[in-house]
Order: sequence, then C-alpha cells, then structure tokens
Amino acid sequence: RKEVEQDPGPFNVPEGATVAFNCTYSNSASQSFFWYRQDCRKEPKLLMSVYSSGNEDGRFTAQLNRASQYISLLIRDSKLSDSATYLCVVSPGAGNQFYFGTGTSLTVIP
Amino acid sequence: SQTIHQWPATLVQPVGSPLSLECTVEGTSNPNLYWYRQAAGRGLQLLFYSVGIGQISSEVPQNLSASRPQDRQFILSSKKLLLSDSGFYLCAWSPKGQYGYTFGSGTRLTVV
Repeated sequence: RKEVEQDPGPFNVPEGATVAFNCTYSNSASQSFFWYRQDCRKEPKLLMSVYSSGNEDGRFTAQLNRASQYISLLIRDSKLSDSATYLCVVSPGAGNQFYFGTGTSLTVIP
Repeated sequence: SQTIHQWPATLVQPVGSPLSLECTVEGTSNPNLYWYRQAAGRGLQLLFYSVGIGQISSEVPQNLSASRPQDRQFILSSKKLLLSDSGFYLCAWSPKGQYGYTFGSGTRLTVV
C-alpha cells in the first residue's frame, strides 16, 4: 500500500468554481502534513501546511481528518493561475522522510 | 534568507556516460539535504538524504550515488547512466527539527 494516495485527476473547472482535493495516508502515526503546488516543468513549492485544527490562507483551506487519515485542500473562486498539480505530502514526524503523493492535476478554464 | 541552487537546468547525456549534479544551499547551516527524482507522469521518488557531512542514506538501490563533501553541498553522481535514469532531479533542503522542504529549480536529465 502506498504511503500517500491522491486522485490524479485531471480536474477541469471553470473560473470562479470551488474545487476540493483529498489525499489519504497509510501511517496513522504521521505528524506533519503539507500541500505543495507544482507548475508544469517546475519544482514543487510549498503551498501550505496542514494543521489539526484546519487552516485557511485566502482562497485556500486545508483540513486534516486523523480518524479517517486524509487531508483535504479546498480552493474557492478558482483563478486561471491556480492551474497546476497539487501534491500532498505526509511525514511521520522524524524530519527525515517525507512521502509525496503523485499529485492532482487542476486546470481552471476561462 | 536561505536559497538553494541546483545546476545544470537541463542535461542530455549518452547511455554509459558519467553524471554529476550539484546542489548548494546558502543562508543556513547544518541543513537536511535530499535528492528526489520525478519520472515523466509519476510522483516524486526520494533517492538520497543527508543529515550531515559525509552522512548519506539511500532509499532506492540503483546505479546512482550521493556525496556531501561540505555542509551545504550535495552531489548526485553516476558512473554509467542508463536510459531509465532520465527524469527530473530535484534537490531539496529542510532545517533541522522543522518540517517542510524547499526545492531547487531542478535538473531535467535525458539519457539518450
């Protein structure tokens, strides 16, 4: 079983739509969770950390459900510039190993 | 502020040739350093990580090797490249005791 699993998509949504991605992880002892964004042929960049209480950054909301072992990313009022691949990242907390999902592709359509 | 440099940006190498990719970090000391590979249409695969000079952990057996000759320098090498070594190689660093990576801009390697 993979450490982290994501629906690869693609998700094609119109501008202004709300879209949500989920990511499941297998290690119940995982302690750190992140969402990264990767543009085509570029390096991944940290979008936001995911905290137990959930956190929001502008149009982006991240949530953690420890009981069901998944994290989610909600994007409201989608912009064309949100088109990218979104990577879910999970760490057991030892600081040395991060597990990446294969990414979910999002295309925002005019 | 901390910055990470990775070069070259692109590389085309023949099968059987050697490889050397270099990564340096500035503005921090004693970072954790990582090499990842992303094959076309696939996820990130951790190749090596290092918690200090000369300390290398390998995650995937292969014909690649890594070295950390200085605190902020991480090198990925191969003596003989295979076609299957083609991919997008990413160096990353993270501070000790904290979480979250910062990636370099990557090297796109094509083995022909």
